[in-house]
Amino acid sequence: EDQVTQSPEALRLQEGESSSLNCSYTVSGLRGLFWYRQDPGKGPEFLFTLYSAGEEKEKERLKATLTKKESFLHITAPKPEDSATYLCAVQGGSEKLVFGKGTKLTVNP
Amino acid sequence: NAGVMQNPRHLVRRRGQEARLRCSPMKGHSHVYWYRQLPEEGLKFMVYLQKENIIDESGMPKERFSAEFPKEGPSILRIQQVVRGDSAAYFCASSKNTEAFFGQGTRLTVV
Repeated sequence: EDQVTQSPEALRLQEGESSSLNCSYTVSGLRGLFWYRQDPGKGPEFLFTLYSAGEEKEKERLKATLTKKESFLHITAPKPEDSATYLCAVQGGSEKLVFGKGTKLTVNP
Repeated sequence: NAGVMQNPRHLVRRRGQEARLRCSPMKGHSHVYWYRQLPEEGLKFMVYLQKENIIDESGMPKERFSAEFPKEGPSILRIQQVVRGDSAAYFCASSKNTEAFFGQGTRLTVV
């Protein structure tokens, strides 16, 4: 069964303090690993798709990387508006996404 | 280009009533997915549909829940005889190829 574990569950940073979120996964036949951002009361907002180990993608202060067992979401010099819950999901042999429970990020000014 | 549209945003039902949740996918998207999110839990897959076909309903409870995506109109997630445990946020997503884009969700409260 496909599984996704995200750590830490919650992370508090000061504005400008860079850090990384972890997503460990087990999946039979990875078709894609996805990162989403979710604000309170809203739906998940698509950030990145990674398809193979070694792949990296960047968007503003965010950079996602992928190995055969885990993915990292690096946040460089975060701002308060980066505060949100970040969700990781994998797609294996079927079309469905299997999500982790997320990392709640709080960036203090 | 409108995103995935879900309505209603909030729905309150008494125990035993029916709940109907609607989802209009993004233009050009033919794949629709429904997920449920309980407090302190991750998003859980329920069902995957294409026009007039249920492709994968492995995450759908066997009783009281049904979903459809007709040739015309939105996808509907129907919950019959709701119970308190059905209270959750229900999200619809649509895709064309790989990336799935989510709607803002329907928050169902059963009283």
